[in-house]
Amino acid sequence: DIQMTQSPSTLSASVGDRVTITCRASQNINSWLAWYQQKPGKAPQLLIFQASSLQGGVPSRFSGSGSGTEFTLTISSLQPDDFATYYCHQFNSYPLTFGGGTKVEI
Amino acid sequence: EVQLVESGGGLVQPGGSLRLSCTASGFTFSNYWMTWVRQAPGKGLEWMANIKEDGSKRYYMDSVKGRFTISRDNAENSVFLQMNSLRVEDTAVYYCARGFRGGSVGTGYWGQGTLVTVTP
Repeated sequence: DIQMTQSPSTLSASVGDRVTITCRASQNINSWLAWYQQKPGKAPQLLIFQASSLQGGVPSRFSGSGSGTEFTLTISSLQPDDFATYYCHQFNSYPLTFGGGTKVEI
Repeated sequence: EVQLVESGGGLVQPGGSLRLSCTASGFTFSNYWMTWVRQAPGKGLEWMANIKEDGSKRYYMDSVKGRFTISRDNAENSVFLQMNSLRVEDTAVYYCARGFRGGSVGTGYWGQGTLVTVTP
């Protein structure tokens, strides 16, 4: 199974900060990676697919990069609505797997 | 507007069974892979199973193989998860999700989830 390791697990930040979350895959997953945002009590929402493609309707302050085994999600200027938990997800090979999550808090 | 509505969750004893349903609207259901993902209380997301557009391929995570079965009815725009031999550790919110585009196994849209509680 491909292990997805996110870091950090918790991130303390302020409004306006530039935030970077890293996701490392235990094997090459090419660009078969997505990023999701989840708020308490809500379903996850897709932010980025194919490692770097912004989902429609997602603010441009979100961006994704990387390929192979190392990926990043960047929020260029953190907004109050962005305090949430973020997950990466590989869909290169079965079983599909998620990272453990990164909680972005004040 | 894409909508996915799960139902069928509830309280069940260990060893029992439940059948979850997810009804889709707002898109051509038969063009998309469908997926079930779960989230135990206070924990992260766990991919469980998915099914190809025409139902010809199904994949499962190891811990549910032989216990859970994913199926779909394209005429009814629905995907199902039959869960047998339930364990306490299966307690979670169960989400159904659609591929982010036709032909993709990566999930793009999620329902709001249905809670399954397995307790003695």
